[in-house]
Amino acid sequence: GQQLNQSPQSMFIQEGEDVSMNCTSSSIFNTWLWYKQDPGEGPVLLIALYKAGELTSNGRLTAQFGITRKDSFLNISASIPSDVGIYFCAGQLRANFGNEKLTFGTGTRLTIIP
Amino acid sequence: SQTIHQWPATLVQPVGSPLSLECTVEGTSNPNLYWYRQAAGRGLQLLFYSVGIGQISSEVPQNLSASRPQDRQFILSSKKLLLSDSGFYLCAWSKTGAYNSPLHFGNGTRLTVT
Repeated sequence: GQQLNQSPQSMFIQEGEDVSMNCTSSSIFNTWLWYKQDPGEGPVLLIALYKAGELTSNGRLTAQFGITRKDSFLNISASIPSDVGIYFCAGQLRANFGNEKLTFGTGTRLTIIP
Repeated sequence: SQTIHQWPATLVQPVGSPLSLECTVEGTSNPNLYWYRQAAGRGLQLLFYSVGIGQISSEVPQNLSASRPQDRQFILSSKKLLLSDSGFYLCAWSKTGAYNSPLHFGNGTRLTVT
């Protein structure tokens, strides 16, 4: 089946630093999604990308859908304490009508060092 | 706006006991519904999805089952829990009929089988 390689697995940064993480796939997707998960909660959608080459921002977050449709990156600028959490990429390939199954990356755990 | 509710938030059950986790969605009709399991804060694995009442697809063979008795209700069950069923269970929904609609997650149920 499809697999997503997400890197880095973890990041330790200081407040105010910029963050960059990425996902690569062995096959193409129609959509790339980025989620953030806080401890003990469900993932929350941050950004959705629908077209190859698309660059989308959401506040301090910027994500891009790779031209090859096999990769995506997420950047966070000027990190703040509430950015701490686990970030997941997810690829979506619509196999059947009404079935938007996702393949998730393994996550990037972001920690801010005081 | 749409909301998704999962309960209970935490559950401790002995091996061999039955399980019933419930998920409901409000503010939308005929959603696609999903059950995911997450181990150790990473790696979401799709267990079941449903595109309509009574329509359940299983992604992996396991000790669990799912049912959709009503349009916006999704239930995860087991007749006899195993130790390996411990984990964080997430329900999610997406819009039906919308191309590559993102998934939106509930806050999860942490199940510990003792």
